[in-house]
Amino acid sequence: GAVVSQHPSRVICKSGTSVKIECRSLDFQATTMFWYRQFPKQSLMLMATSNEGSKATYEQGVEKDKFLINHASLTLSTLTVTSAHPEDSSFYICSATPKGLGNSPLHFGNGTRLTVT
Amino acid sequence: AQKITQTQPGMFVQEKEAVTLDCTYDTSDPSYGLFWYKQPSSGEMIFLIYQGSYDQQNATEGRYSLNFQKARKSANLVISASQLGDSAMYFCAMRVVAGTALIFGKGTTLSVSS
Repeated sequence: GAVVSQHPSRVICKSGTSVKIECRSLDFQATTMFWYRQFPKQSLMLMATSNEGSKATYEQGVEKDKFLINHASLTLSTLTVTSAHPEDSSFYICSATPKGLGNSPLHFGNGTRLTVT
Repeated sequence: AQKITQTQPGMFVQEKEAVTLDCTYDTSDPSYGLFWYKQPSSGEMIFLIYQGSYDQQNATEGRYSLNFQKARKSANLVISASQLGDSAMYFCAMRVVAGTALIFGKGTTLSVSS
């Protein structure tokens, strides 16, 4: 089945530093990938839609200069949290649907738990 | 605008019993897909079952079935013969346009006891 790999699974960083999270589709091509954020015991909130070869589309209220998304290839999207602060501590999870299979379920990475100290 | 509502923050069930997790949705689009995901405490999102708005029959996948009532705009998940490993958070989600992101409900935490 379709596999999405997300790395790292956990990261602790100091306030003011930047953190990069990678999301790879291992056995399929993904024109579009999605980044979600989840606070403890809450729902997944869509942050942005990552489009291969073009700029990401951010949801209202998500700072595009803080959460930099790059989708350089059909199998890789990265989310960089710039100048991280403790309030950015959260669970970040990426997802993708195989190219051409728009009605199929989203396949999710295992998520990245970010802690900013 | 599309919306998913899950009104049960927590549900408790004993092993081997069946449990129904409620989900209602709101959309004016006639074409949509409904999904259920399971999220254990480890965080990964596990796809369980899918129902398309034009599907005539309710979806089933092993112990999971989806009670789709289109007129009521509900898509309840039924888990038969609960197991301890079913303890997790369950999310109902919807997609209106193919290839777009899923919109999630707030989730229901299911606890299965022996």
